Amino acid sequence: GAGVSQTPSNKVTEKGKYVELRCDPISGHTALYWYRQSLGQGPEFLIYFQGTGAADDSGLPNDRFFAVRPEGSVSTLKIQRTERGDSAVYLCASSLPGKSGYTFGSGTRLTVV
Amino acid sequence: DQQVKQNSPSLSVQEGRISILNCDYTNSMFDYFLWYKKYPAEGPTFLISISSIKDKNEDGRFTVFLNKSAKHLSLHIVPSQPGDSAVYFCAASADGSGNTGKLIFGQGTTLQVKP
Repeated sequence: GAGVSQTPSNKVTEKGKYVELRCDPISGHTALYWYRQSLGQGPEFLIYFQGTGAADDSGLPNDRFFAVRPEGSVSTLKIQRTERGDSAVYLCASSLPGKSGYTFGSGTRLTVV
Repeated sequence: DQQVKQNSPSLSVQEGRISILNCDYTNSMFDYFLWYKKYPAEGPTFLISISSIKDKNEDGRFTVFLNKSAKHLSLHIVPSQPGDSAVYFCAASADGSGNTGKLIFGQGTTLQVKP
């Protein structure tokens, strides 16, 4: 597709449940990023993939969060035992080396009730 | 510890006038800075960037100024247009390019341009 696609656009889940958020980057973009944005804040870095491997996962808040990118394209962010504090907009972005700035998707709004 | 700060949560300007959005940072390892614009229900869109080896970068109506000694950057929009109304985020990188590795974002400034 022309842009970064994230599904679902909205997700409501009960506290304690498991969720998966999907990101389809721009075709050919080798780098993929996950960010989380809470209300009134800027995006907060979670993890960055270069190809299939996680180049930097220093932003993952704890071991309930995990992300994969098995074929170097689509990525899934997985959250176990969700908590109300996980409620936020989860943003995915992709980029090409040598080109300034990422291209962000529209995000998945996760609400944990 | 907020390494990138946008101390003005909001700014209102008249159409045709200049908008100046400010950003301060604390980490001297940052060497690349970017501005993003965000409309409601959309992801942030890259606007303009500047490397730490420069003090100014201009792209049409948008100019970013960098003052390394003060650890301060600003985005100037002139003339401002109603379509510029959005949330503006300042971001910083320590990788020299801003397109690999993580970005640290400020909290954002909501700009309203009145017709």
